[in-house]
Amino acid sequence: ETGVTQTPRHLVMGMTNKKSLKCEQHLGHNAMYWYKQSAKKPLELMFVYNFKEQTENNSVPSRFSPECPNSSHLFLHLHTLQPEDSALYLCASSQDPGPGNTIYFGEGSWLTVV
Amino acid sequence: EDQVTQSPEALRLQEGESSSLNCSYTVSGLRGLFWYRQDPGKGPEFLFTLYSAGEEKEKERLKATLTKKESFLHITAPKPEDSATYLCAVLDRGSTLGRLYFGRGTQLTVWP
Repeated sequence: ETGVTQTPRHLVMGMTNKKSLKCEQHLGHNAMYWYKQSAKKPLELMFVYNFKEQTENNSVPSRFSPECPNSSHLFLHLHTLQPEDSALYLCASSQDPGPGNTIYFGEGSWLTVV
Repeated sequence: EDQVTQSPEALRLQEGESSSLNCSYTVSGLRGLFWYRQDPGKGPEFLFTLYSAGEEKEKERLKATLTKKESFLHITAPKPEDSATYLCAVLDRGSTLGRLYFGRGTQLTVWP
């Protein structure tokens, strides 16, 4: 059983829809992350939260809106997405964002934009 | 330009045939190098962290080593269940905390 749980596992949405991805970590960590994995590309960091505060936004378009209500939960709100946004979205957590802290990933949410 | 390069892109091994995967990096100062395993349709699973040149870590049939410019993941007598994509990632001394730079992965297939 993974310590980082993501829902839904699969999502198909139209370009005009609004949907959200949810992530919950059961590891007692303070930092949470969203990564994007596209076909044939390396994993790419999107956002970092430390103690509920956003510490990194990797130039992500505003159609992706993260929310971190507490250290255990992380959301990614999606609206007016483009087909090229179809990818595997991975949530992750670590004890804190500092060096030496291993980042643990969830199973991912497969997003298809039609 | 990728800061982490993994080779080969794909590797097919017969069960029991040992080999190595390579991860080379160009970051200015390494804080840590991470190896992950990713099965199809799943998230990356943590394997090892290496911090300094000369360091080695082992887990079952896997052994990771680190030099100043690259890391190797040695697979000894692999089994079909070792088939997966192996990802390498680095944490750069000059980068934002938590920002891992990933390679594109090596897709390993072990056939019986």
